Amino acid sequence: QKEVEQDPGPLSVPEGAIVSLNCTYSNSAFQYFMWYRQYSRKGPELLMYTYSSGNKEDGRFTAQVDKSSKYISLFIRDSQPSDSATYLCAMSPSGGSNYKLTFGKGTLLTVNP
Amino acid sequence: NAGVTQTPKFRILKIGQSMTLQCTQDMNHNYMYWYRQDPGMGLKLIYYSVGAGITDKGEVPNGYNVSRSTTEDFPLRLELAAPSQTSVYFCASSPGTSGGGETQYFGPGTRLLVL
Repeated sequence: QKEVEQDPGPLSVPEGAIVSLNCTYSNSAFQYFMWYRQYSRKGPELLMYTYSSGNKEDGRFTAQVDKSSKYISLFIRDSQPSDSATYLCAMSPSGGSNYKLTFGKGTLLTVNP
Repeated sequence: NAGVTQTPKFRILKIGQSMTLQCTQDMNHNYMYWYRQDPGMGLKLIYYSVGAGITDKGEVPNGYNVSRSTTEDFPLRLELAAPSQTSVYFCASSPGTSGGGETQYFGPGTRLLVL
């Protein structure tokens, strides 16, 4: 079983839809959870950052972490064509190796106007 | 504040040639990383550094070398290029001081084609 599993999609939705992106993981040591957004031919950029379990909201974006199920989600409300990108989940443990991120393979999202 | 910069943006190499991918950050970050990204495969860590003079192997180090003589620069050296090294290479940096999860900041990438 891979440490981090992420459905690669592609996912295509109409403008205004609610988008749900998900990752599962197997390493119970993961404590820090991130979502990166990567536009075509660009480097990844941090979108959301969450520590341990719970929800975090930033504008149209909500990140959820359920450590009991080893499952994280990113919700995008009122999706826009500018949200079209690849979304990568990433996670790391606490302690001495907290800087080493393990990435999912990414989900390609297209929002159609 | 330019963040993380990488040169070149694109390069074509012949099999057996060597080259150095340059990476510079101006955020005074202690930690730096090199990743490769193949289509549909996510990001794989090649090498990382936790400070000047300290480097260590990541998940896929074979065929690559790194050095870190300054805080700002972290070049990646490809010796004897092979078609399997065709990829997009990303350099990243993180503060290395927070004690918590490290946010990594990525450069724009270098596209490498080995023919």
